[in-house]
Amino acid sequence: GQQVMQIPQYQHVQEGEDFTTYCNSSTTLSNIQWYKQRPGGHPVFLIQLVKSGEVKKQKRLTFQFGEAKKNSSLHITATQTTDVGTYFCAGPQNNAGNMLTFGGGTRLMVKP
Amino acid sequence: KAGVTQTPRYLIKTRGQQVTLSCSPISGHRSVSWYQQTPGQGLQFLFEYFSETQRNKGNFPGRFSGRQFSNSRSEMNVSTLELGDSALYLCASSLRTQGSQETQYFGPGTRLLVL
Repeated sequence: GQQVMQIPQYQHVQEGEDFTTYCNSSTTLSNIQWYKQRPGGHPVFLIQLVKSGEVKKQKRLTFQFGEAKKNSSLHITATQTTDVGTYFCAGPQNNAGNMLTFGGGTRLMVKP
Repeated sequence: KAGVTQTPRYLIKTRGQQVTLSCSPISGHRSVSWYQQTPGQGLQFLFEYFSETQRNKGNFPGRFSGRQFSNSRSEMNVSTLELGDSALYLCASSLRTQGSQETQYFGPGTRLLVL
């Protein structure tokens, strides 16, 4: 079945450093979604990318969708302690709407 | 608008028991999906309900079941609980109007501990 892999699993950074998490799918995706889950919280939707090669920015966060629509990345510039949490990518299983396959997540820890 | 609500928030059960979890979607949302989150397996899709019908199902045994009511509220049931069913059960709702291009809004989850 479809698999979505994320690396790294964990990342410790000093506040102010940049951070990147990478997501790879075993199959071509119709879209890719990113979520953030704070410790003890639930996943919160960040963004959805649909087009091949798409790049979207949200303040210090930059999201990219690969040309082949099988990989994606999230880059955070100048991390802050509020960025702490686990970042998940997710893609529709067999392009079936709301049936999402999630990556394992990257847990970001920021030292002040 | 109020967000997705789930009850109860915490639950302790023993092996062999059964449990029912409830989810109320955002007003106007017609699709409800359920996910199981564990440290070992991560976030895994259980099933999706839309217009009181199960539309998609993940790879879970038949002990896991669900239903949706006419007001879009959904319940999931796990029978004959096993220790491995200990997890955070998350419900997500969406409008479900455009096929695959949906934003899902997650509830706070129900944390189930099976002893």
